[in-house]
Amino acid sequence: GDSVTQMEGPVTLSEEAFLTINCTYTATGYPSLFWYVQYPGEGLQLLLKATKADDKGSNKGFEATYRKETTSFHLEKGSVQVSDSAVYFCALSDRVIYNQGGKLIFGQGTELSVKP
Amino acid sequence: SAVISQKPSRDICQRGTSLTIQCQVDSQVTMMFWYRQQPGQSLTLIATANQGSEATYESGFVIDKFPISRPNLTFSTLTVSNMSPEDSSIYLCSSGTHDRGDTQYFGPGTRLTVL
Repeated sequence: GDSVTQMEGPVTLSEEAFLTINCTYTATGYPSLFWYVQYPGEGLQLLLKATKADDKGSNKGFEATYRKETTSFHLEKGSVQVSDSAVYFCALSDRVIYNQGGKLIFGQGTELSVKP
Repeated sequence: SAVISQKPSRDICQRGTSLTIQCQVDSQVTMMFWYRQQPGQSLTLIATANQGSEATYESGFVIDKFPISRPNLTFSTLTVSNMSPEDSSIYLCSSGTHDRGDTQYFGPGTRLTVL
């Protein structure tokens, strides 16, 4: 079945460092790909998404490009801040129903800690 | 984006009791989803709830343990029945959006502790 694999955490960086969190997927179809973020004690927030190959999602300085050839959707940010400390989840949608959400399959999550 | 609220935000329950979690969406949606996030773990889909039909459960989850209601297009409930400490988790609901694509938006979650 479909699956998502993320790099293991925790990841600890200094403020203004470059961030990469790796995410690879397996899917039989053409899934949409997502990054969600979970701040301490809160629910999940959509960070960015890409719906087809070569699409780049971006938000709040974060970017990820849908790479079909490598089945990857790595999350990057050029300069992290302390406020970016959170758990980041990569996910794919294995079924698209027009105008509605499909079932999401999540990676295991990567905890990011940014030190001043 | 859809705004989703959940009640209660947290609860501490005794073994053997049941808890019903409510999920309210600020717009009409056909599909709502219930996920479980065990401590330190990722999210696992429990079931998909369509209005007007029985919920569809994922492998490892059964209706007797997690009955779901979906009385209209903006509301759903999940009941955690006959609870044990292993049910201690965060339970999140989500819904699809009406604009193009398959984005899901999540509620803030219900943090359940079973003693």
